Amino acid sequence: EPEVTQTPSHQVTQMGQEVILRCVPISNHLYFYWYRQILGQKVEFLVSFYNNEISEKSEIFDDQFSVERPDGSNFTLKIRSTKLEDSAMYFCASTIRGAGAGELFFGEGSRLTVL
Amino acid sequence: DQQVKQNSPSLSVQEGRISILNCDYTNSMFDYFLWYKKYPAEGPTFLISISSIKDKNEDGRFTVFLNKSAKHLSLHIVPSQPGDSAVYFCAARRENEKLTFGTGTRLTIIP
Repeated sequence: EPEVTQTPSHQVTQMGQEVILRCVPISNHLYFYWYRQILGQKVEFLVSFYNNEISEKSEIFDDQFSVERPDGSNFTLKIRSTKLEDSAMYFCASTIRGAGAGELFFGEGSRLTVL
Repeated sequence: DQQVKQNSPSLSVQEGRISILNCDYTNSMFDYFLWYKKYPAEGPTFLISISSIKDKNEDGRFTVFLNKSAKHLSLHIVPSQPGDSAVYFCAARRENEKLTFGTGTRLTIIP
């Protein structure tokens, strides 16, 4: 069964460092998302991406964040200068149609720890 | 701004009994509701969904009920099995917009 894959599974970084989280969405999916979950809190929307551009972003997704689809398979989330409060589990998700058409398929997540 | 609320952070149910997980929402424009299940160190997995034009959707042991007037939905699992122990997230969205998740309910099935 096709699945969304994410790397790394866990990254530890120093505050102020740049981090890139990688995702390989399901191959025929067209819409891509990043969500995050701070420990003990709800899953929060960060950004959606379609047709090589951001379609929606949340207040959390400030100038320190960026997304890119550098080739036909990868979808990356970059945090330019990490802060302690960026420590969270980051989930990539994809869907073949827009979120209006059904469920999202999530990856297993990348745990980011900022020291 | 918690538009989707799960007021019970945890729930314990005896194996074989019915598990009922509840979710309330405030945005009357939501038109599609989903339940996701999440095991530790894994991503959320889609479980079942319901459109706002329906009041019930059933899939095997899982049934979701929607009460639009009360802005309330619930997930029934019957009979509950040990493998159902996980965190369950309610999610909702307006057409073609992002999913908004609740805070989750940790379900523990007691053998």
